[in-house]
This record gives sequence, C-alpha cells and structure tokens, in this order.
Amino acid sequence: DQQVKQNSPSLSVQEGRISILNCDYTNSMFDYFLWYKKYPAEGPTFLISISSIKDKNEDGRFTVFLNKSAKHLSLHIVPSQPGDSAVYFCAASKGGATNKLIFGTGTLLAVQP
Amino acid sequence: DTAVSQTPKYLVTQMGNDKSIKCEQNLGHDTMYWYKQDSKKFLKIMFSYNNKELIINETVPNRFSPKSPDKAHLNLHINSLELGDSAVYFCASSNTDGYTFGSGTRLTVV
Repeated sequence: DQQVKQNSPSLSVQEGRISILNCDYTNSMFDYFLWYKKYPAEGPTFLISISSIKDKNEDGRFTVFLNKSAKHLSLHIVPSQPGDSAVYFCAASKGGATNKLIFGTGTLLAVQP
Repeated sequence: DTAVSQTPKYLVTQMGNDKSIKCEQNLGHDTMYWYKQDSKKFLKIMFSYNNKELIINETVPNRFSPKSPDKAHLNLHINSLELGDSAVYFCASSNTDGYTFGSGTRLTVV
C-alpha cells in the first residue's frame, strides 16, 4: 500500500522555465511533508518542507504548495537550472520532521540547457 | 567533514554470507535510521534508534540486526544474505530540523 505517490517518473524542462513536481498521499494523518533531492551515488538531501497547518512555503527558487483537501502537494522550481537535474522524492510523516518518513518513488527531473 | 558516513560504499557478496554495514554521524543527533531503497526505487524505513534504543522496527526479517554502541553509531548486520537483499541501504540521523542521509551502501548479493 503506497501511501505517498509520485505518478510522474520523469520530467523534462527547459532551463529558465518552471518545473512542477507533483505528489499525492492517502493518509490524512500525515502532518508534515518534505521534498528531498538526490543525485546519483549520493544520499537524499533535504530541500524544503511544509507543515499541514500551512498551504505554502517558499525558499528562494523553491516553493511547496499543499492542498489538504485534495491530499496533494507540489514543488515548484523557478527558474529551473541545469544543476537542478536530479531525482526528487516527496516524503510525509506523522508527528513532525523527525518521525518515520514515508517516501514516494521519486521523479527524475532533467533541465535542458 | 562528512556528517553521516557509511562504509563500505559498495559491497558484493555471495548468498549465505554474513555482512555488516557501518554508519557514523558527527552531527550530535539523537536519532539514527536505516532505510532501504530496492530495485523499484522505493525508499523504506527499516529501523530507528533514539539514544541507542530501538524505537522502530518495520517488520524486517530477523536476519537483519541493527546495533547502536553509542548514539553516534548505528551498524547493520545481515545474516545469511539472500538475492532479494540486494539494494541500496541508507543510514540517516535526525534532530528537530530534519534528516541528514549518508551516501548509501550498494549491496549486491550474487
């Protein structure tokens, strides 16, 4: 039972344009959501997070939107840069950032120069 | 200065062998984890330790035994390795700000 789903295994975007990565979840008990970025042969690195009491969190070029009624979150990257090319994992937890994380299967983002 | 380091980075071994993966963090975090990423890219938690005490065990076969000699170390020992154990194993640690992952150990059982 996959509680966190990323239905797009890959996404290709032109440099300078917006990248939108999507994530859906099924468990309404999740109260904290995170995005991680992963390069080959490296571990996931934290990118941005959002608590369920918010609907938007912004950090530089990265913005996460949360739609609790739809159980959907998205990561916007504007403008996209070639160095953003990586696998992006969505994750969710109950009870905050340090509890067990449930990950999606990831979306491979390719930013074309 | 690596925050979460795990060794070895690659491990190729035969079925039936016993092997260990080591993990150390220098971040002063109280909680450490082992996650497994299988061939389908699912990243799933296996174990979590807080101050050397096991707090999460996600129905992992008992051939897998984590050991935490102190809060900076969490090792993973695997007995009687099977082909299906082939995966990338990630160690992580966390505090209130979130997780830091190691770079992973790619285990291949042949």
